[in-house]
Amino acid sequence: DAGITQSPRYKITETGRQVTLMCHQTWSHSYMFWYRQDLGHGLRLIYYSAAADITDKGEVPDGYVVSRSKTENFPLTLESATRSQTSVYFCASSELGEQFFGPGTRLTVL
Amino acid sequence: GEDVEQSLFLSVREGDSSVINCTYTDSSSTYLYWYKQEPGAGLQLLTYIFSNMDMKQDQRLTVLLNKKDKHLSLRIADTQTGDSAIYFCAESKDSSASKIIFGSGTRLSIRP
Repeated sequence: DAGITQSPRYKITETGRQVTLMCHQTWSHSYMFWYRQDLGHGLRLIYYSAAADITDKGEVPDGYVVSRSKTENFPLTLESATRSQTSVYFCASSELGEQFFGPGTRLTVL
Repeated sequence: GEDVEQSLFLSVREGDSSVINCTYTDSSSTYLYWYKQEPGAGLQLLTYIFSNMDMKQDQRLTVLLNKKDKHLSLRIADTQTGDSAIYFCAESKDSSASKIIFGSGTRLSIRP
């Protein structure tokens, strides 16, 4: 599929488990981003990447790990999930100006 | 620090104009954006304005920028039910969009 996709779309997990959210884009955009969206907080940047093998922390990186071995993929891992990480997660990519967003992953941590 | 603020809710009657307001704190912001999020979907760019512009019009959308007051607004003329969504104001310093600061979003609801 062309564009930017995320998987899974919905995930329920338990406290302490490791979870990986996948993001894939077909445009070869240099930049990729992970945000979380929570009521009252809008979008908060977790991590971003300017190119393959280059990643940087955003506003709320604690508890998350990212990697970018290939330009098109930018997985986000929660190493030991906590209830406070229940949220909707959005991946985005950009080259110049506009960020293109994936459809989101709704994660629930019980 | 950088901050973008919006009111959380707006309700308008179908056919009326909607005006969504936003204030930002970083005077070095170069690009100001309006994104739209429909239910269950990601954000989509609606329009943007450079900081050296006062106004931008695109069909039913009008963006006004008051750089002195750091105030941005989005006017939607002849609001339709399909305009129901959350609207995010955002700002960045450069065209790479490597760091965009988003507001909390304004939920626009349309009443008949």
